[in-house]
Amino acid sequence: ETGVTQSPTHLIKTRGQQVTLRCSSQSGHNTVSWYQQALGQGPQFIFQYYREEENGRGNFPPRFSGLQFPNYSSELNVNALELDDSALYLCASSDDVEQFFGPGTRLTVL
Amino acid sequence: KQEVTQIPAALSVPEGENLVLNCSFTDSAIYNLQWFRQDPGKGLTSLLLIQSSQREQTSGRLNASLDKSSGRSTLYIAASQPGDSATYLCAVVPTLNAGNNRKLIWGLGTSLAVNP
Repeated sequence: ETGVTQSPTHLIKTRGQQVTLRCSSQSGHNTVSWYQQALGQGPQFIFQYYREEENGRGNFPPRFSGLQFPNYSSELNVNALELDDSALYLCASSDDVEQFFGPGTRLTVL
Repeated sequence: KQEVTQIPAALSVPEGENLVLNCSFTDSAIYNLQWFRQDPGKGLTSLLLIQSSQREQTSGRLNASLDKSSGRSTLYIAASQPGDSATYLCAVVPTLNAGNNRKLIWGLGTSLAVNP
């Protein structure tokens, strides 16, 4: 157990809808990162937050957005869902050395 | 641009064998390297982390080595067991990321099957 939790575990949406995924980091970890992992692929970096500010972004469109809160929780929001957004979304909290991952949210877009 | 490659893509071995998984990266300027395990449909479990100044790390039957100059890391699994069956992913944090950014650059993983 890493102490990082994510909700929901599974989610089914339709094209065009919006979704919010949630992550609760380990206490004391100021950095949270979000990754997208398509089936059979390695994770792809979406963005990272450090002390509630975005601190780096991967090659994802603006409809992917995030928030980090002072209580070590964070959100990933995706607007205008597309079929290709179907993936496992992973959250990782970091103590600036090692990254600890949550169990992920499996998003299916129909 | 940092790229991470893992070989082989898949591996099937009988129980008890010692085995080596390989990871290579194109840019030696890394902050650290982590090996992860992923069971089907599940999240990622960190196995070993090697800082850029270190040469190897060990945990139980696992040993990971790092050779920055050649851009290589290996994960050695001793006396493999069926419970070791999973996908093993290697990821690096580049030192060239601005500020405090510690994004991981990933390989595609090695899918390991250990047969009883």
